Amino acid sequence: DTAVSQTPKYLVTQMGNDKSIKCEQNLGHDTMYWYKQDSKKFLKIMFSYNNKELIINETVPNRFSPKSPDKAHLNLHINSLELGDSAVYFCASSQTRQGANEKLFFGSGTQLSVL
Amino acid sequence: GDSVTQMEGPVTLSEEAFLTINCTYTATGYPSLFWYVQYPGEGLQLLLKATKADDKGSNKGFEATYRKETTSFHLEKGSVQVSDSAVYFCALSEMNRDDKIIFGKGTRLHILP
Repeated sequence: DTAVSQTPKYLVTQMGNDKSIKCEQNLGHDTMYWYKQDSKKFLKIMFSYNNKELIINETVPNRFSPKSPDKAHLNLHINSLELGDSAVYFCASSQTRQGANEKLFFGSGTQLSVL
Repeated sequence: GDSVTQMEGPVTLSEEAFLTINCTYTATGYPSLFWYVQYPGEGLQLLLKATKADDKGSNKGFEATYRKETTSFHLEKGSVQVSDSAVYFCALSEMNRDDKIIFGKGTRLHILP
């Protein structure tokens, strides 16, 4: 069983469209994250939720809206997609919200291409 | 703010060569330090970590020592294999400061047979 699974794996869409990426973890973890990895492999945190509560919200356009229906799921909805949104988006989870000493478990990524 | 700087890639080595990937950090407190590895087409996986000065993290033949005096956490392996080809990320996290793990920009390693 995959510990952190995200769908879809690939997403190709036109500028201006709205799309969602889903993430689920079966590890019983309290905390989930969304990271964005650009073409140069730079990895930057976007959001973090702990038990469905938003705890990290980095400087991300309002077009990006995370939703956590329960602590096992963290979805990412993106409105009005732009060319610059093209990247690989990684979902991750950790046992607790304490970053230090914690191991992050990553999904395999969603490659988003905006045309 | 806290940050992580690691050597630019790509790094290309022959099989069985000695590997060093440099990583230095800036932090106001006493961070935990990590190395993550990303194999092609996959998410990141924790490779090793160290939580206090002079600790050595090790896994799969890789080692890194937490050097507070030089604010460094260089990754080393004595004899690399083709299967080690991946992108390596140095990262830090500070307990009780915030809940973020900050990653470096990644170093791509390519091992030639």
